[in-house]
Amino acid sequence: GAVVSQHPSRVICKSGTSVKIECRSLDFQATTMFWYRQFPKQSLMLMATSNEGSKATYEQGVEKDKFLINHASLTLSTLTVTSAHPEDSSFYICSARDQGTGRQFFGPGTRLTVL
Amino acid sequence: GQQVMQIPQYQHVQEGEDFTTYCNSSTTLSNIQWYKQRPGGHPVFLIQLVKSGEVKKQKRLTFQFGEAKKNSSLHITATQTTDVGTYFCADLYNNNDMRFGAGTRLTVKP
Repeated sequence: GAVVSQHPSRVICKSGTSVKIECRSLDFQATTMFWYRQFPKQSLMLMATSNEGSKATYEQGVEKDKFLINHASLTLSTLTVTSAHPEDSSFYICSARDQGTGRQFFGPGTRLTVL
Repeated sequence: GQQVMQIPQYQHVQEGEDFTTYCNSSTTLSNIQWYKQRPGGHPVFLIQLVKSGEVKKQKRLTFQFGEAKKNSSLHITATQTTDVGTYFCADLYNNNDMRFGAGTRLTVKP
């Protein structure tokens, strides 16, 4: 089946630094990728929709200057958490929509801890 | 690594028929969350199951968590066209990490 990878799987950083998370569709092309955040013991929440070759669409309340999204190719989207703070510590998960079938597949997620 | 297997991949039913999607794991699942994604939409949280053998109902939807916590199911009674979408299960492990199944796409013929 289709595979979506995320890198890194876990990252610990100091407050004030920036962290980049990569989301790749390994065996299909994804014109659309999605970035989610999961707060402790809560359900998944959509942060933004990433479209290949264009600007991302952010959900209300998500700061676009803090969470930079780049979708440079049909298989790669990146989320950069800029000037990270401890409250940004969370589980970030991406998903990719298969251009051919329309199915959506989730990545394994990235655990971010900001000290 | 541990995977959450979800079946079937697709299900097409006549309106009024029942529908069930299953999630299985070779290892013990922690907490199971179920999501529904309408065509063109995004996953929407439906429910969370925590206890072994737990059964929860939401109108025509019945959610079960297996006794051994290695499987879970979502059953819809008498499907309606509004039930169309993809249903995902997700294992919430290590307190906050999540692992999704591949989803079951349900189509309903009026």
